[in-house]
Amino acid sequence: DQQVKQNSPSLSVQEGRISILNCDYTNSMFDYFLWYKKYPAEGPTFLISISSIKDKNEDGRFTVFLNKSAKHLSLHIVPSQPGDSAVYFCAASTNTGNQFYFGTGTSLTVIP
Amino acid sequence: ETGVTQSPTHLIKTRGQQVTLRCSSQSGHNTVSWYQQALGQGPQFIFQYYREEENGRGNFPPRFSGLQFPNYSSELNVNALELDDSALYLCASSLFSGSNYGYTFGSGTRLTVV
Repeated sequence: DQQVKQNSPSLSVQEGRISILNCDYTNSMFDYFLWYKKYPAEGPTFLISISSIKDKNEDGRFTVFLNKSAKHLSLHIVPSQPGDSAVYFCAASTNTGNQFYFGTGTSLTVIP
Repeated sequence: ETGVTQSPTHLIKTRGQQVTLRCSSQSGHNTVSWYQQALGQGPQFIFQYYREEENGRGNFPPRFSGLQFPNYSSELNVNALELDDSALYLCASSLFSGSNYGYTFGSGTRLTVV
């Protein structure tokens, strides 16, 4: 049972434009969400997080939006750069949990 | 500050064999979690060790077992390997067991079972 879903396996964006990666979840007990970035032959690297008490968190070019009623979050990258090309994973956990539930990832390609 | 290191990076085993994967946690971290990432899937939680005790387990059979040592390094052992065990195995360390604390992932061990 996939509790975290990323329905777009891939996304291509022109350099300088906005990249929007989406993630849906089914478990209403999730209250902490992360985005990880993964390059080939490397482990996932933490990118940005958001807790359920907020609906937006910003860090430089990266912004995560959380819509709890829709059980949806999104990652915005503005402006997109070729170095952003990677696989992006959405992950969620509960406040008492000790594990993350990951989506299947979205492969972002930023075209120069 | 060193990150999380995993060994070996690649491994090929035959069905029915046993395998041990190793993980050195980031300096100062006392919690290690193991994840399995099959091709085209997101990482799936296997189990977590906190101060040498198992602290939660995902939906994996008992032939997946682990250890954490006093220096907080960890091993993942898989017995009676099956073809479906072929995957990237990721180790992640954190300062505490709660998931709200930052996790640092290693680069993984790519296991192929033939």
